[in-house]
Formats: sequence, structure tokens, C-alpha cells
Amino acid sequence: AQKVTQAQTEISVVEKEDVTLDCVYETRDTTYYLFWYKQPPSGELVFLIRRNSFDEQNEISGRYSWNFQKSTSSFNFTITASQVVDSAVYFCALSESQLGKLIFGQGTELSVKP
Amino acid sequence: NAGVTQTPKFQVLKTGQSMTLQCAQDMNHEYMSWYRQDPGMGLRLIHYSVGAGITDQGEVPNGYNVSRSTTEDFPLRLLSAAPSQTSVYFCASSLAGGGTGELFFGEGSRLTVL
Repeated sequence: AQKVTQAQTEISVVEKEDVTLDCVYETRDTTYYLFWYKQPPSGELVFLIRRNSFDEQNEISGRYSWNFQKSTSSFNFTITASQVVDSAVYFCALSESQLGKLIFGQGTELSVKP
Repeated sequence: NAGVTQTPKFQVLKTGQSMTLQCAQDMNHEYMSWYRQDPGMGLRLIHYSVGAGITDQGEVPNGYNVSRSTTEDFPLRLLSAAPSQTSVYFCASSLAGGGTGELFFGEGSRLTVL
């Protein structure tokens, strides 16, 4: 069965600190897709990144970076020099098909204080 | 750019009442789905559709009905609302087949059942 675990329910940091959000997944498929979504206080879901199971290259986008390790079934998300605007709930998700059926983790609520 | 449009954004129902959450997308996506979001549980899949005339159950389908008569529309029906259905509901769409499963979400509908 597929499962996504985000063990950190809440994280609080002070602005400019680096923070890593953990995501561990379970799947029996060899082909799958991993996602991160951001949900700011306004409530909408914002797509951040998609990763294919056959591409383990880490990715950096500005202050955001993602570390994908198949050996540990993890897809962690790091925000460098956090800002107050990063305060949100972050969801990691897994899809075993191309049909858009995502399994979400429980979410990590990040609070960045000035 | 409309994307995925959900209505209504807010609704209060009494136990036993029925209602329909509307969802429409203008991206010609084959795949559409409904999720509910509850505190501490992430997003859970209710029903999904891979094309007009085709629907299937997700993780938490009980108490909900769907139909897909057109590519654009995917309404979610609550036939007899219960307090346990108090939640935030998200409709999503994506490309099936050659896509990678990325979901495009509506803005959400907050439902309260008294």
C-alpha cells in the first residue's frame, strides 16, 4: 500500500533560519511521482515541485531545495533563509500513476516568526 | 485564466439536508477528483473520474455521489449531510495518459454541517 508520512506536525523558526521539512513515502511501484504543495493561510493549494522516481537529482529553485533519496524513501524539502511569507502548511504527496490520484501526507505547518 | 472553479465557497447545512458542490475546469483535463481536508489528516480522495461517463471511488467515498456527464464538470453530491462531513472540499483536475499526475486545484469549499 502507498503511504506518505510527514512526521513533523508543526515547525516554528525565526526568520532567516534554514528549515527542512521531512517526507517519507511507501510504495511498491518502481515508477511513481512525488510532489510538494504549499497551502498558505488563504487556503489555496500551490504546486511547488514534481519529481519522477527515476530522477534522483536534487533540485534547487531560489531559496527552495529538494533532496530525493530512493534508498531511504525520502523526499525532503529545505527552505534556506526562511521568510515570514513562507509560513504555511506544506504537503508532500505521492502518485503511483499518471492519473493524478495523489496520496497526501498529513502536512507540516511551518511558522516563520520575524 | 479560470482553471478549476468551485462553488459555493462556503455553505452551512443542517443534518439530513442535501446539496451539490460544483466543480468546473476549462483546461480540457481528462482527470478530475474531489478531496476533503480535515485537520491533521491531510487531503483524502473521495471520488475521481478519468473521463466523461467514468467515475470511481477513492479513499473516503461513503456519503458522497458523483457523476461526469461532460469533460468540464464534476459535481459532488451530498444526499443526506452529516456532521462528519464538515470539512473543506477541494476539486482538482489533471491531464491523464501522457501527463505526470500534477493536480490543479480549485480554491476550496468550506462546508459546515450542523
